[in-house]
Amino acid sequence: ILNVEQSPQSLHVQEGDSTNFTCSFPSSNFYALHWYRWETAKSPEALFVMTLNGDEKKKGRISATLNTKEGYSYLYIKGSQPEDSATYLCAFAGTASKLTFGTGTRLQVTL
Amino acid sequence: EPEVTQTPSHQVTQMGQEVILRCVPISNHLYFYWYRQILGQKVEFLVSFYNNEISEKSEIFDDQFSVERPDGSNFTLKIRSTKLEDSAMYFCASSGPVNTEAFFGQGTRLTVV
Repeated sequence: ILNVEQSPQSLHVQEGDSTNFTCSFPSSNFYALHWYRWETAKSPEALFVMTLNGDEKKKGRISATLNTKEGYSYLYIKGSQPEDSATYLCAFAGTASKLTFGTGTRLQVTL
Repeated sequence: EPEVTQTPSHQVTQMGQEVILRCVPISNHLYFYWYRQILGQKVEFLVSFYNNEISEKSEIFDDQFSVERPDGSNFTLKIRSTKLEDSAMYFCASSGPVNTEAFFGQGTRLTVV
């Protein structure tokens, strides 16, 4: 059974705060690491797909890093806004055709 | 923008009945997936489908489950004899070449009573 862990489980920050979450995954048989943003009553939406050790990706105020040797990825949000409130899921691909999801980090941003 | 669509959005069925959950993936995608999320638990992989056959399946995907791509556009998940523990949100997803993002449908909430 693959272990994909995310921490913290939930996070409550003020508007303007920067924050980060962690995803840890097996360091062997690595294919890709995905990050998804999941708002209530919507479907998960892809943020990043990362494949190379040391990869850093950025989309607006959100960025992610990847360390495949030690099996972790960080997601950063700079200057959080209320619209960033969502559950952030990471998913590990040990093969080309299967994603194993973590439990997610629920972020709430208040004014 | 292309999207994955799922029908119905909510299905209530009696234990022991068969259900078919339907999905229309993005048209030029190659890989198709079903996931589910039982309330309060993590998203779980059920099955992936490529080139008209199952490429991977989880231990959840037993003989009660089957998938089909009957007409080149729909992708269906059939549960032959539903159990109470099959109650969950079922998500269909599709993706292009390997290592590209998966696009998810809005989900079908299955309630087995």
